Order: sequence, then structure tokens, then C-alpha cells
Amino acid sequence: NAGVTQTPKFRVLKTGQSMTLLCAQDMNHEYMYWYRQDPGMGLRLIHYSVGEGTTAKGEVPDGYNVSRLKKQNFLLGLESAAPSQTSVYFCASTKGTGGLTEAFFGQGTRLTVV
Amino acid sequence: LAKTTQPISMDSYEGQEVNITCSHNNIATNDYITWYQQFPSQGPRFIIQGYKTKVTNEVASLFIPADRKSSTLSLPRVSLSDTAVYYCLVDPNNAGNMLTFGGGTRLMVKP
Repeated sequence: NAGVTQTPKFRVLKTGQSMTLLCAQDMNHEYMYWYRQDPGMGLRLIHYSVGEGTTAKGEVPDGYNVSRLKKQNFLLGLESAAPSQTSVYFCASTKGTGGLTEAFFGQGTRLTVV
Repeated sequence: LAKTTQPISMDSYEGQEVNITCSHNNIATNDYITWYQQFPSQGPRFIIQGYKTKVTNEVASLFIPADRKSSTLSLPRVSLSDTAVYYCLVDPNNAGNMLTFGGGTRLMVKP
């Protein structure tokens, strides 16, 4: 049972380049989330999904797009990377409504935009 | 969404009990309170969750007064390995729709 897996773990982009971060969970969770964490700061919610085929904006959605075509995968896209998007990105998942909503996190993706 | 307020940082010594209080004055009737722990270069890890009164597990205790406008995470006999950032979250309807993290409390445990 791998839990939540993020790909890649590290990436360096040039300004204007695009990339997609992949989050995969094998716990059959309904809800998935993407966060960014800047040095010394807390996590900020970018986008989230409450089920396959659905997505919603979080606190800081600008400059990012997401897709949830399969229940187990949640993709985060940067169409035109900017230095301000240099951060550590975390993906998380929860089972959804009802009972304990413990969130499981991936190991993070460290992205540098130069 | 209920906003949470916690101390930015706390210091403690090994073997002491640490209590971190979180304020959530506008918590709604259906909201649950959840605490996470984050070590450097790792994603947050769930510690404990509660709705009212007291909840205890093998890691910590969570105290929630009757008005639910605050909560206190209690870590018994901390060790150096408890040095981390601790986040208090209010989960609307216990649904996990919008899990938003504030700045957290940076706990430093000293020898």
C-alpha cells in the first residue's frame, strides 16, 4: 500500500515552460488536494477535487490548472511557469464525508522556476 | 470557513508536557477540529481529531471546551523528535471539502 505518491520529486523549470505534476493514491479516496508551501510558511490550498471529474478552486488557484479524470489521479498543471511558483507542492487525499477525515499527504515535489 | 489562530512558535524541554492552544471563534455547529504535525521536508501527518470534550490517542490529547471556540493539543513528555510545526484545522461538516492550513505553531524541543 503506497498511499499517496507524487511525481516528480524535484524539477527545475525555465520561466514560461509548462509542466504537469502527478498525484496518485491507492486508497480509493474520494477527495484530493493540491497545496503549495513556501519556505517558513504554512500550506496554501491551490485546487481540490471531491470526486472523479470534479475540481474546485482553493485559496491560491491563479496560474494553475487541475484535472481529475480518474479517481486515483489528480494532476496539477502549470501552463507558463513563473519564478513566483517556486515552491514545494504537496498532494493529499481523504476518504470524503462521514467519520474521520484524516488526510494523507505525498512526499512533496520541490519545484524551482528560474 | 472558520479561521484559526495559533501561536507562531513555542519552546519546550525534553520530558515536559506541551500544550498548544488554537482559537476558532466562529466555528460552526458541524465543524470538527483536526491537528496535524509536519516535519521539515515532509508532508503533514494527522495527529488527532475531535468535536467536543476530550479525545486521546497514543500520540496526544485534544481538549475542547463546551463553547468549542478554542481547542488545546496536549503532547505528554515531549522529546527532541517532537520538534515540528503543528497545525490546527477546522473541518466544515467533517467533510474535508476545503482543508485549509494556517501558519501553524513551530515547536522547538530543547535538550
